[in-house]
Amino acid sequence: AQSVTQLGSHVSVSEGALVLLRCNYSSSVPPYLFWYVQYPNQGLQLLLKYTTGATLVKGINGFEAEFKKSETSFHLTKPSAHMSDAAEYFCAVSLMNSGYSTLTFGKGTMLLVSP
Amino acid sequence: DTAVSQTPKYLVTQMGNDKSIKCEQNLGHDTMYWYKQDSKKFLKIMFSYNNKELIINETVPNRFSPKSPDKAHLNLHINSLELGDSAVYFCASRGSHSGANVLTFGAGSRLTVL
Repeated sequence: AQSVTQLGSHVSVSEGALVLLRCNYSSSVPPYLFWYVQYPNQGLQLLLKYTTGATLVKGINGFEAEFKKSETSFHLTKPSAHMSDAAEYFCAVSLMNSGYSTLTFGKGTMLLVSP
Repeated sequence: DTAVSQTPKYLVTQMGNDKSIKCEQNLGHDTMYWYKQDSKKFLKIMFSYNNKELIINETVPNRFSPKSPDKAHLNLHINSLELGDSAVYFCASRGSHSGANVLTFGAGSRLTVL
């Protein structure tokens, strides 16, 4: 079984500040890890994913995340927040090479960006 | 062209009614899903179909019945609606070769039960 914990239901930053959204996972086998973003009244959009290989993955809109196996973490960062980054962010985990697996989502973190 | 489309986008109905939400994907994907997002934004898997066959059925009341007439469509029918069914329902799909379980989501269908 796998699970995801996102620390902080809300994170507030100023425009131009560093964004750090935390995600820890639990999985009995090596996981695939994802970050999705949900803008108001919209569906979920894939930001980035980790499967194998390089542990630092880059996604869209300047976001990146680093897989740290020893810490079971997959935190999302962006060097400089923009007003348009305000949204709900979901970390998710999936079992590797499991044809019938699904994504298990964290409870989400709302990113608030102030001018 | 929208990759995963859901209809209706908004649905307001009375308790006890029966309603359906439709989902279609034009990505050629083999697997489709229904997720429920509650008022606290928590996303939970409900069902998954692979080539029209039910493969995942989480603990969901029998009032919810998915139907997949073909692998491009996965509809959700809900009988005897209850207040607690109010939520946003997301359809998603995944291709057999997409690997890494990358799901493509629809825009969601917001159901409000009065």
